[in-house]
Amino acid sequence: NAGVTQTPKFRVLKTGQSMTLLCAQDMNHEYMYWYRQDPGMGLRLIHYSVGEGTTAKGEVPDGYNVSRLKKQNFLLGLESAAPSQTSVYFCASRGWGGGGNEQFFGPGTRLTVL
Amino acid sequence: QQQVKQSPQSLIVQKGGISIINCAYENTAFDYFPWYQQFPGKGPALLIAIRPDVSEKKEGRFTISFNKSAKQFSLHIMDSQPGDSATYFCAASGNYGQNFVFGPGTRLSVLP
Repeated sequence: NAGVTQTPKFRVLKTGQSMTLLCAQDMNHEYMYWYRQDPGMGLRLIHYSVGEGTTAKGEVPDGYNVSRLKKQNFLLGLESAAPSQTSVYFCASRGWGGGGNEQFFGPGTRLTVL
Repeated sequence: QQQVKQSPQSLIVQKGGISIINCAYENTAFDYFPWYQQFPGKGPALLIAIRPDVSEKKEGRFTISFNKSAKQFSLHIMDSQPGDSATYFCAASGNYGQNFVFGPGTRLSVLP
């Protein structure tokens, strides 16, 4: 079991460029989440999904889009990157069972927008 | 309503000492309170979690104390070790765990 994997690990973009971050999980989890982590601000939820084909906005969704075409994959897109999107991005997944099930996090993607 | 406050921002403890991190929340709909541990360059990992129907949960050297009336919960690390040096996040969720809210984190350093 690889758990939760994220691709790529590092990326540098120029302002206005686009990119897609890929998250994959092999635990057959229903829930998947995208967070960004900035110094002193903890983890902030960008978007999440409660199942294949469904997505919902989190706390900071502006400037991002997501898709969950397959249960095991959750994609995060930046259509026109801005320096304010420089951050470390984490994907997480969780199984069914109410709010008590553990979230499993990926290793993160460090994104720098110049 | 959705915010989780966490203190202190950083903490330095001698080996063998007790580390205490505090969190407070506002939303009474929250029903699950996990603590995550994160080492540099890694993703957060669940350390211990509690539900509001109990006031304390202990797993090894780690204990969560929960005060429902005060809407506060804390993490106690007994006999702190240098290997415990990491960033700790408290979190809260409700609505069947669809939405998690994290505190800003506490950077713990345990001196040898």
